[in-house]
Amino acid sequence: DVKVTQSSRYLVKRTGEKVFLECVQDMDHENMFWYRQDPGLGLRLIYFSYDVKMKEKGDIPEGYSVSREKKERFSLILESASTNQTSMYLCASSYRTSGTDEQYFGPGTRLTVT
Amino acid sequence: AQKVTQAQTEISVVEKEDVTLDCVYETRDTTYYLFWYKQPPSGELVFLIRRNSFDEQNEISGRYSWNFQKSTSSFNFTITASQVVDSAVYFCALSEANSGAGSYQLTFGKGTKLSVIP
Repeated sequence: DVKVTQSSRYLVKRTGEKVFLECVQDMDHENMFWYRQDPGLGLRLIYFSYDVKMKEKGDIPEGYSVSREKKERFSLILESASTNQTSMYLCASSYRTSGTDEQYFGPGTRLTVT
Repeated sequence: AQKVTQAQTEISVVEKEDVTLDCVYETRDTTYYLFWYKQPPSGELVFLIRRNSFDEQNEISGRYSWNFQKSTSSFNFTITASQVVDSAVYFCALSEANSGAGSYQLTFGKGTKLSVIP
């Protein structure tokens, strides 16, 4: 079974803090994704990566950056957390270098910025 | 630009009733993929099905069935004899299989929350 894990289920940070969200997948997938999920807005793509050290902006990259130094690990970074970044963050991975394969999701990190 | 619409925000049914979740999509590509995901209260999205645009055959998996109709740009999901464990948020998603980097992107609908009442 594909396993996608995220470093924390719940996280509380203060405004202005630098926040790291970590995601690890164990199936040698090329693609990895970060989404945020908000009530009434569904899932929105923040960034994705199709290879080590490669990244592409999604629909809402502002205020975020990412890092992929190893194939299995994809980090989302909030350089200076703000209250409007309070959300559920979901990491996903998929196998092939195309849009055809299903994405496998981690359990999510619920981030609260106070 | 691609778009997925799930017009039903919330649905409540009594256990053992059948329920259909609607999904309408928009895309300019002739080659695309459609997906359904389930998100139970635990929060983790679970993949249910993938369909490509050239395969309009309906699919049945146990109590689940999917009706893909290109003529109406719809990919509806029916649960037969619903059970309490079916209570979840269900998402429909679309991916365009073009050659650009954007082809990796899934566009999700806003989800339909299904509550199955015992």
